[in-house]
Amino acid sequence: AQTVTQSQPEMSVQEAETVTLSCTYDTSESNYYLFWYKQPPSRQMILVIRQEAYKQQNATENRFSVNFQKAAKSFSLKISDSQLGDTAMYFCAYPNNNAGNMLTFGGGTRLMVKP
Amino acid sequence: DGGITQSPKYLFRKEGQNVTLSCEQNLNHDAMYWYRQDPGQGLRLIYYSQIVNDFQKGDIAEGYSVSREKKESFPLTVTSAQKNPTAFYLCASTPPLTGVEDVTEAFFGQGTRLTVV
Repeated sequence: AQTVTQSQPEMSVQEAETVTLSCTYDTSESNYYLFWYKQPPSRQMILVIRQEAYKQQNATENRFSVNFQKAAKSFSLKISDSQLGDTAMYFCAYPNNNAGNMLTFGGGTRLMVKP
Repeated sequence: DGGITQSPKYLFRKEGQNVTLSCEQNLNHDAMYWYRQDPGQGLRLIYYSQIVNDFQKGDIAEGYSVSREKKESFPLTVTSAQKNPTAFYLCASTPPLTGVEDVTEAFFGQGTRLTVV
């Protein structure tokens, strides 16, 4: 069974600085995807970034980028130039495409951006 | 605008009562899901449905029931058998897959906060 682990329950960062959130996962699949979702105080789940395992290049979306280490089964999220609006819970997620794309989530990291 | 609508936003349940949470989507998505979120924790899958009139148990299905009579609707009933129902419930859907290894992002509703009183 797939598992997703986020080892940092809470983190904080000063505005405009860079922060990295960690995620490790376990799977026996060779081709798969990984997602980072953001849940702000409104509790709406928002997709931040996705990575396809067969792609060597790390995904980037504006200030958000990932460090994907397939052999180590590690998928960290880097937020550059942190903004107050980045304050949220961040979840790493693994979609199981053998089960209708159901997502297995990590426990989340609460990120606080300080002014 | 297309999206997923959950109602109500807040729901209160008395001990021993069954309550039903609504989830409707107009995205023409085949698959729908129910997740439970406890404070400070990740989301856990309750039930999912890939097509009309079919659904599968997730990791924490005990005390819950669902139906999928229409593509657009996937209501969740929290029964009296669920001993600790106070939580935040999120409904999600995904578009049809276009390939064997295709994966798409999930679209989420805004959630229902259920409290036992």
